[in-house]
Amino acid sequence: EAGVTQFPSHSVIEKGQTVTLRCDPISGHDNLYWYRRVMGKEIKFLLHFVKESKQDESGMPNNRFLAERTGGTYSTLKVQPAELEDSGVYFCASSQEWAAYNEQFFGPGTRLTVL
Amino acid sequence: AQSVAQPEDQVNVAEGNPLTVKCTYSVSGNPYLFWYVQYPNRGLQFLLKYITGDNLVKGSYGFEAEFNKSQTSFHLKKPSALVSDSALYFCAVRDKSGGSYIPTFGRGTSLIVHP
Repeated sequence: EAGVTQFPSHSVIEKGQTVTLRCDPISGHDNLYWYRRVMGKEIKFLLHFVKESKQDESGMPNNRFLAERTGGTYSTLKVQPAELEDSGVYFCASSQEWAAYNEQFFGPGTRLTVL
Repeated sequence: AQSVAQPEDQVNVAEGNPLTVKCTYSVSGNPYLFWYVQYPNRGLQFLLKYITGDNLVKGSYGFEAEFNKSQTSFHLKKPSALVSDSALYFCAVRDKSGGSYIPTFGRGTSLIVHP
């Protein structure tokens, strides 16, 4: 079974530019989550999709962040325009069921550096 | 609100010695508790979880964790550390009683096992 994959693994951009991160969840997993970890800090929740619908986007920092999951398969997270404080590692995770006691399966993350 | 504290940024232990990575939590109700491990350039991998029942939970790679309700702790332990256990460890909590079903993660603890 293929795991969660993310692309790119690293991205270095300048302030004001746009970056799009992609996540491919485990096949058959309806639930897809985005998280971010700023260096040395907690892993913070950004949003949760159930299939193509946004179930919870309470963690999205501001309207410069746009997440989509067209067709309920892969998801993209676009940052436009990027700011210095957006730097960090963006993780995607997926799960088959949406239950508080279920573990999530994480991708390797995309390390975003905004200069 | 739910929160997690991992009081140690780094834990150093000699190979063959027992290891402990500490985690304390705060929830309004009863918790679901998780440990994840992140090896270099990999995503977070699920190690073990506490849902209910026996306070001692056994997980992957010989790790175990003990749920202590009175001390609100869920420390990760292993009787004999291996160099290959060197990684970043994250504790996470979800409140069973409602509120957000999204896990809250700690800051992570870097475990270094010396040969």
